[in-house]
Amino acid sequence: EAQVTQNPRYLITVTGKKLTVTCSQNMNHEYMSWYRQDPGLGLRQIYYSMNVEVTDKGDVPEGYKVSRKEKRNFPLILESPSPNQTSLYFCASRGLYGYTFGSGTRLTVV
Amino acid sequence: GIQVEQSPPDLILQEGANSTLRCNFSDSVNNLQWFHQNPWGQLINLFYIPSGTKQNGRLSATTVATERYSLLYISSSQTTDSGVYFCAGKTGNQFYFGTGTSLTVIP
Repeated sequence: EAQVTQNPRYLITVTGKKLTVTCSQNMNHEYMSWYRQDPGLGLRQIYYSMNVEVTDKGDVPEGYKVSRKEKRNFPLILESPSPNQTSLYFCASRGLYGYTFGSGTRLTVV
Repeated sequence: GIQVEQSPPDLILQEGANSTLRCNFSDSVNNLQWFHQNPWGQLINLFYIPSGTKQNGRLSATTVATERYSLLYISSSQTTDSGVYFCAGKTGNQFYFGTGTSLTVIP
């Protein structure tokens, strides 16, 4: 089944403790991206990647890092999470027929 | 970035009713899609519809790219249709979402 897999689905962490949210797609898509969803603000793009080793900032990149060492994986890294990064995060990949989203990761930073 | 307006922001329907959701873009977009976010937060792809009309069961969508809008029609609504409906489109390398229409279908 064609899909985008994110892990974990839920995460509670403390301020300043580095964390990584993994994202993997099995559709051989070149383009992948990360979004965060916040009440009243909708979904906003954090980072995107056009292909392996090519990444670029979206609208809200501050406090996040990404890497794209291989086509299928696009992890989101929070080096020093803060409470304002509490949000619902989505990974997506784009193919010929549009975007496919992962199931989301609900992150709480206390 | 572009602005994506969705209307109405909230909608309450009696089961069996029909509805039309609208999405306006401030500039031309590609890869226009409609998504349904279910109560568990999952984003389900409904339509990839850069132009024209598509139908899938009780749902259909029409995009008029030259006028920068798209419509989502829901017929004979069911309680399982409840959730938030988003439209989104691509310009450059970024994909912009509307703020959504929150639909509640009551029995």
